[in-house]
Amino acid sequence: QQQVKQSPQSLIVQKGGISIINCAYENTAFDYFPWYQQFPGKGPALLIAIRPDVSEKKEGRFTISFNKSAKQFSLHIMDSQPGDSATYFCAASKSYSGSARQLTFGSGTQLTVLP
Amino acid sequence: SAVISQKPSRDICQRGTSLTIQCQVDSQVTMMFWYRQQPGQSLTLIATANQGSEATYESGFVIDKFPISRPNLTFSTLTVSNMSPEDSSIYLCSAREGTGYPGELFFGEGSRLTVL
Repeated sequence: QQQVKQSPQSLIVQKGGISIINCAYENTAFDYFPWYQQFPGKGPALLIAIRPDVSEKKEGRFTISFNKSAKQFSLHIMDSQPGDSATYFCAASKSYSGSARQLTFGSGTQLTVLP
Repeated sequence: SAVISQKPSRDICQRGTSLTIQCQVDSQVTMMFWYRQQPGQSLTLIATANQGSEATYESGFVIDKFPISRPNLTFSTLTVSNMSPEDSSIYLCSAREGTGYPGELFFGEGSRLTVL
């Protein structure tokens, strides 16, 4: 079963705090793990992504931590800002030869950063 | 990065009718997809739109209900046929540039359908 389980469903953080969203997957063939950010009324947009050959990737205030043995990965948002309030989706995909390589999405986390 | 435009952005439809959603990409893309996102839920892949051939549907989705066209590398349509209230959802067009893996997936802003 190609599933990606995401938690928590919702998260409220104070401005300046750290937001942490977790995802777990089952299929060991997954080899690409992106995070998407979606604002109300907009489509999802790629935020940051990681491949399983590294344990961590950082871009500005956003960091992905990846634990291959546990089949888990997480998104950390440092110094969270009200503008970060959005829905975050983790996802995973596996490489095919000449095929769709479609993403399997987690259930989403609605983040609210209080001013 | 590709910019994806969808029309209509929202519509209210009557049960039993059909609606076609258009997706236009501002550059040629290798792959186009259609997703469904029910309110407050995750994204579910409906199908891959293949240029010049029949779309590839995911489990639970069939061509008679969701016919898809892709006449060229920048345009696709999704029709939601014989709609029922259960079809009320956001339908998202997405596209991937290039052939390398994994490649970034871009999304349109979605078409929000309400079926009465």
